[in-house]
Amino acid sequence: KQEVTQIPAALSVPEGENLVLNCSFTDSAIYNLQWFRQDPGKGLTSLLLIQSSQREQTSGRLNASLDKSSGRSTLYIAASQPGDSATYLCAVVDYKLSFGAGTTVTVRA
Amino acid sequence: EPEVTQTPSHQVTQMGQEVILRCVPISNHLYFYWYRQILGQKVEFLVSFYNNEISEKSEIFDDQFSVERPDGSNFTLKIRSTKLEDSAMYFCASSVESLSSYNEQFFGPGTRLTVL
Repeated sequence: KQEVTQIPAALSVPEGENLVLNCSFTDSAIYNLQWFRQDPGKGLTSLLLIQSSQREQTSGRLNASLDKSSGRSTLYIAASQPGDSATYLCAVVDYKLSFGAGTTVTVRA
Repeated sequence: EPEVTQTPSHQVTQMGQEVILRCVPISNHLYFYWYRQILGQKVEFLVSFYNNEISEKSEIFDDQFSVERPDGSNFTLKIRSTKLEDSAMYFCASSVESLSSYNEQFFGPGTRLTVL
């Protein structure tokens, strides 16, 4: 059974600092990995999707890496802003999405 | 841009009542999914549906749950006799084909179900 773990569970940084969010998974037989943002009480906003053959994917200030062999992905958010405050979820994809519990980020102005 | 829609956004029901949560997937998508998120917990897979049949389901998806595509556009999740522990956010998703490196699931905004 796929287990997805996200560390840390919560993170508080001053505005402008870079964020590093970690995701690990136990079964490397995945199609791809997806990062989502979730605001309190709201839905899931897809941020990045990394295909299993890719090592990295970038979108604006966001960069995600994938190391399938070691079962790890990292989401980097450059120059954080208060508007980046949210919970960030990673999900690994086989026939379904298996989600981690998320990292709750607070960016202090 | 096409999107998955869900209605209602919030449903309040009494324990033991039946509820139907509705989803309209993206129009050319063929695979449909339901997930749920109990407050403070992980998003969990419930069921996937293709060609009018359940293709996969989790251990959560017991006899109290059923899914249906009653017409060409809607996809529904029915809970026959709700329990307090069914209170959660329910997300619908769809994809063009079965999940692969090239296909992505698109999520709806969710329906918050509160069972009193």
